[in-house]
Amino acid sequence: GQQVMQIPQYQHVQEGEDFTTYCNSSTTLSNIQWYKQRPGGHPVFLIQLVKSGEVKKQKRLTFQFGEAKKNSSLHITATQTTDVGTYFCAGKNGSGNTGKLIFGQGTTLQVKP
Amino acid sequence: GAVVSQHPSWVICKSGTSVKIECRSLDFQATTMFWYRQFPKQSLMLMATSNEGSKATYEQGVEKDKFLINHASLTLSTLTVTSAHPEDSSFYICSARSGGTSLYEQYFGPGTRLTVT
Repeated sequence: GQQVMQIPQYQHVQEGEDFTTYCNSSTTLSNIQWYKQRPGGHPVFLIQLVKSGEVKKQKRLTFQFGEAKKNSSLHITATQTTDVGTYFCAGKNGSGNTGKLIFGQGTTLQVKP
Repeated sequence: GAVVSQHPSWVICKSGTSVKIECRSLDFQATTMFWYRQFPKQSLMLMATSNEGSKATYEQGVEKDKFLINHASLTLSTLTVTSAHPEDSSFYICSARSGGTSLYEQYFGPGTRLTVT
């Protein structure tokens, strides 16, 4: 079945350093979504990428969707302690409002002040 | 924004009893609801997909007779863990998707932490 792999599993950075997490799917995706989950909390939707090669920015966060629509990345510039949490990518292989999200294993980010 | 609630937020039950978890979309109609299970420090694992008025579709390895899902209305889905055992202890999270949204986002509930003693 479809698999979504995410690396690294953990990342410890000093505040101010950059951070990147990578997501790879075994199959071509119709779209990919990114979520952030704070410790003890639930996943919160960050963004959705749909188009091949798409790049979206949210302040210090940059999201990319690969040309083949099988991989994606989330890059955080100049991390802050508020960035702490687990970042999940989730790929969807259905079109339109169908299909199901398959979550990657998540990357847990720790930021040292 | 779209809000999804879950009740209860946490529950402790004895082994062998059944527990019902409710998932409600508060300000939109959810044509599809999803139930996930998350073990500590692990990812979300999709258990089942339910569409309003029809039977849920369960993922491979998920026992449909143990995890009963009812999506009786466009704003409510329930998950009942029957004859719960300690290995069922987990964080159960629902999400809801509206057929009318252009982004097809899934809005997640706050989760229900189940502990079976």
